[in-house]
Amino acid sequence: GESVGLHLPTLSVQEGDNSIINCAYSNSASDYFIWYKQESGKGPQFIIDIRSNMDKRQGQRVTVLLNKTVKHLSLQIAATQPGDSAVYFCAENIANDYKLSFGAGTTVTVRA
Amino acid sequence: DGGITQSPKYLFRKEGQNVTLSCEQNLNHDAMYWYRQDPGQGLRLIYYSQIVNDFQKGDIAEGYSVSREKKESFPLTVTSAQKNPTAFYLCASSTDRGGTEAFFGQGTRLTVV
Repeated sequence: GESVGLHLPTLSVQEGDNSIINCAYSNSASDYFIWYKQESGKGPQFIIDIRSNMDKRQGQRVTVLLNKTVKHLSLQIAATQPGDSAVYFCAENIANDYKLSFGAGTTVTVRA
Repeated sequence: DGGITQSPKYLFRKEGQNVTLSCEQNLNHDAMYWYRQDPGQGLRLIYYSQIVNDFQKGDIAEGYSVSREKKESFPLTVTSAQKNPTAFYLCASSTDRGGTEAFFGQGTRLTVV
């Protein structure tokens, strides 16, 4: 079936390095994508979003890239810090549909 | 502060009992959602509501019930028919019919003892 998924369940990154978290989606009707960060025992927090009419969007230390040709989404975190250790989820939404579909998540661990 | 409040943070239930999880938002959002999260997995949609007095089943609604009598409140009842209720439950809300971010509460961890 169609679903949102992440390529790797875990990612270990040296503090100060850049992180890249990948996500593949299969629903071609999806037109809105979100990255969430979830710390242990807490609810997900919004990081950045992107609509299907864009291929790149930048925030503070984060960049989201969207490749609709291969249905791929990525989150880049610059100069990764210990506070970036968390589980990262991508989510997709189809226009005029309330539901957000989530992938399984990537656990990012930052090494000092 | 505006936000979503879930209570309680931790909840223990005996087998065979129903239990209700609270979710309140003061963001003036029309849409509200309940998700279930199991260890190492993503979020799965239980129920969602687009407007007061209306709600729809999500992907895993069996064994759960909801109500939406007020815009601000969307309680979830985990019934005895839910075979594996131990999980982390997350409530969320959003402003519009898709295409906008959902804001999440801090979750309720339910354990069946």
